[in-house]
Parts: sequence; C-alpha cells; structure tokens
Amino acid sequence: SQQGEEDPQALSIQEGENATMNCSYKTSINNLQWYRQNSGRGLVHLILIRSNEREKHSGRLRVTLDTSKKSSSLLITASRAADTASYFCATDAGNTGNQFYFGTGTSLTVIP
Amino acid sequence: KAGVTQTPRYLIKTRGQQVTLSCSPISGHRSVSWYQQTPGQGLQFLFEYFSETQRNKGNFPGRFSGRQFSNSRSEMNVSTLELGDSALYLCASSPGRPRGTLQETQYFGPGTRLLVL
Repeated sequence: SQQGEEDPQALSIQEGENATMNCSYKTSINNLQWYRQNSGRGLVHLILIRSNEREKHSGRLRVTLDTSKKSSSLLITASRAADTASYFCATDAGNTGNQFYFGTGTSLTVIP
Repeated sequence: KAGVTQTPRYLIKTRGQQVTLSCSPISGHRSVSWYQQTPGQGLQFLFEYFSETQRNKGNFPGRFSGRQFSNSRSEMNVSTLELGDSALYLCASSPGRPRGTLQETQYFGPGTRLLVL
C-alpha cells in the first residue's frame, strides 16, 4: 500500500500550545497536501506543498517537506479549541489526474 | 459559489441490495473523485471522473461503479451490498486539468453515511 502514515495517532494539548504532526509516505510524489476533518464530516483542504518546495506557511500553519526522507510535518501554532479535528496528509499517485493516497490521520484535541 | 453537495446524507440498506449515491461538484469543476472512509481502512480512493470519463481507479471490486454526466454531476453505485461496505462515502471536486500532471486541491462534500444491515 502507498498509504502514508501520520504520527502521532492522537495528540492532546492545551489551548495556546503548538501542535506538530508528522506524515511519512512511500513513493515519489509531485505534491503533498494536508486536510482537516471535523468529526466524521467532509475534509477541508489546508495547504499544498510541491515536491520542489521545502517549507510553506499559511496563517498559523507551517508545513515542511523532506523528499529525501519521504516525510512531511504540519505545525499549528497558538492552537485553539476550534482546531480540534483529525488531520490527514495526502500524496498523489504519480499519475495524471486527482488520485490521492491519504494517511491514517492524527486526531488532535485542543483543551480550552 | 455553492460547495460540493452529496445526496442522500444518510442511508440504511440491507445486504444484497444496491445503492446509488449522488454528488454535485462546485460549479465549473470538471473533476470528481470518490473516496470510502472506514475506521479500519481509513480513506481509500475509489475512482475519479473527468469530462464524463473515468480517469483513475482504485483497488475496489467491480461492484463499485460510477459515472459522470455532461454537467459534471457524478453518481456512484454499489451493487450486492456487503456489511463491509458500511462507510462514509466522500465526493471531492476540483477544476480539472485535461493533461496536467500536477494534482489539484480537492474540495470535499459532507459525505453520505451508508449503513448496511
């Protein structure tokens, strides 16, 4: 399976703290995306990083990509209770079109 | 613009029956993908449609099929339902590049939760 894996599986932090989650994948990619899912609902796109990029920022989010280690990390700074959700990384299948492999997800709980 | 819509939102079926789920993409989007989400297997890609043609297909049995209409709306069908088909089925749309190799942001609908008894 080319499915990625997130680490840790679950993370619980206090509001205001930073949250870091990691994603590892198995094959070469064109890009990697991070998504958030609230309690069994649809996924919301957070950020996309191309394989030739090493770091990307969007608001309180910072994503890094290390293609040599086949890994990525998502940092959420100054977390809020509303950040409580599951976070998934998604990698492309290396073909034309929109076929993605999603990781197993990190469940983040931010305690007010 | 309105987001991706999926109908129905909840569905209960019995083993052996068939089911059809519908997805309306964001206006102007031509690519529609389907995913199955279960606690055990996570999010798994079913297939992608672009301009009424299946462009990519995941590793699911032939009981899972789909189609896309000229207005980009898509349906997926599952025949001969099994207990293991109980899942959240998610549809995602994106603008769609005809020949590009760079993948696009996916905009997901709220999902259809299917329970097979």
